[in-house]
Amino acid sequence: EAGVTQSPTHLIKTRGQQATLRCSPISGHTSVYWYQQALGLGLQFLLWYDEGEERNRGNFPPRFSGRQFPNYSSELNVNALELEDSALYLCASRFSSGGHNEQFFGPGTRLTVL
Amino acid sequence: TQLLEQSPQFLSIQEGENLTVYCNSSSVFSSLQWYRQEPGEGPVLLVTVVTGGEVKKLKRLTFQFGDARKDSSLHITAAQPGDTGLYLCAGLFGNEKLTFGTGTRLTIIP
Repeated sequence: EAGVTQSPTHLIKTRGQQATLRCSPISGHTSVYWYQQALGLGLQFLLWYDEGEERNRGNFPPRFSGRQFPNYSSELNVNALELEDSALYLCASRFSSGGHNEQFFGPGTRLTVL
Repeated sequence: TQLLEQSPQFLSIQEGENLTVYCNSSSVFSSLQWYRQEPGEGPVLLVTVVTGGEVKKLKRLTFQFGDARKDSSLHITAAQPGDTGLYLCAGLFGNEKLTFGTGTRLTIIP
């Protein structure tokens, strides 16, 4: 069974540009989560999508947005990039209900803003 | 806002030694998960603990959930270089909100 996949692996942008990151969940998973991990430490929750709808968002400005497609894949968009947006962006998926919200992570996209 | 504090933030020990890392909060968790993340990869789920006082073992790793379900510990016996990584706890509050801890970066020196 294929795991969560993310693309691209690395992305280099300049300040003010827009970045688009993509995630494909494990087959059968309908929930997708996005996290920002700076400095290799804890994860900061960004967005949660389930069944095509945004269910919750973390404490991030509106220039962080995304969507979930009918096939449950997801896209994270970051507009007007700032230097401090440089981080590893992780996507995770899970079944939509039941269990204890155990999440399965992709390898991440390393975003560098110059 | 629920906060999860992990300690220590960094730990470097010799191969063969034992260690314990901690995850603490002032809030009560529905359940708690431990993940390990290696460089260049996403976190991988190690265990979920649900009941206060619960102890789970995964080979040389022992996970304990506090009686009041506000804290947890991870104990590693006879640490090996393969244990090196970032250890993250994540608490579930209610049914949906998973909050990650600050992380413990563990380095095992051969």
